[in-house]
Amino acid sequence: DQQVKQNSPSLSVQEGRISILNCDYTNSMFDYFLWYKKYPAEGPTFLISISSIKDKNEDGRFTVFLNKSAKHLSLHIVPSQPGDSAVYFCAASVISGGSNYKLTFGKGTLLTVNP
Amino acid sequence: GAVVSQHPSWVICKSGTSVKIECRSLDFQATTMFWYRQFPKQSLMLMATSNEGSKATYEQGVEKDKFLINHASLTLSTLTVTSAHPEDSSFYICSARQGNNYGYTFGSGTRLTVV
Repeated sequence: DQQVKQNSPSLSVQEGRISILNCDYTNSMFDYFLWYKKYPAEGPTFLISISSIKDKNEDGRFTVFLNKSAKHLSLHIVPSQPGDSAVYFCAASVISGGSNYKLTFGKGTLLTVNP
Repeated sequence: GAVVSQHPSWVICKSGTSVKIECRSLDFQATTMFWYRQFPKQSLMLMATSNEGSKATYEQGVEKDKFLINHASLTLSTLTVTSAHPEDSSFYICSARQGNNYGYTFGSGTRLTVV
């Protein structure tokens, strides 16, 4: 049962354009969402997060949008740079109620930014 | 920023032997550490959650007697794969949470190959 889904295994964009990575979730208890970037044979690196009380969070070139009613979030990268090429994982967590905050990951989307 | 060191980065072992993987938080005390496994083109699957000084909590389907987790101090957690078999070959990653911070820092991962 995949509670966090990233339906696009790959995405290719041109340098300077916008990259939009999508993520859907099924568990309505999730109240905290994170995006991670991962290079091969390395651990994930935290990018940006958003709490369910917000619908948008921005950090430099990265913006995460959350649509709770649709159980959907997206990561926008603008402008995209070749160094952004990596696998991007969406993750979700339940932080309310004293849980241990464990993360549930999607399968990832391979982003390739072409020069 | 918070740094998590994971060793070894790769290991090859013979079937039937045991392998220990270490995860250290270098500049913070990790009250909770998580161990994940990733198969090729799959998401990171949580194996277990370890809290310092107490027994680890294993996810459904993960054999606690096979994957021994020890979190004896606030800066070190170890995962021992006992009697390893080729199907245990995977990429193992640890992550640590600092205090009540909702952020997670990941180690660089360990590529285990059992021959």
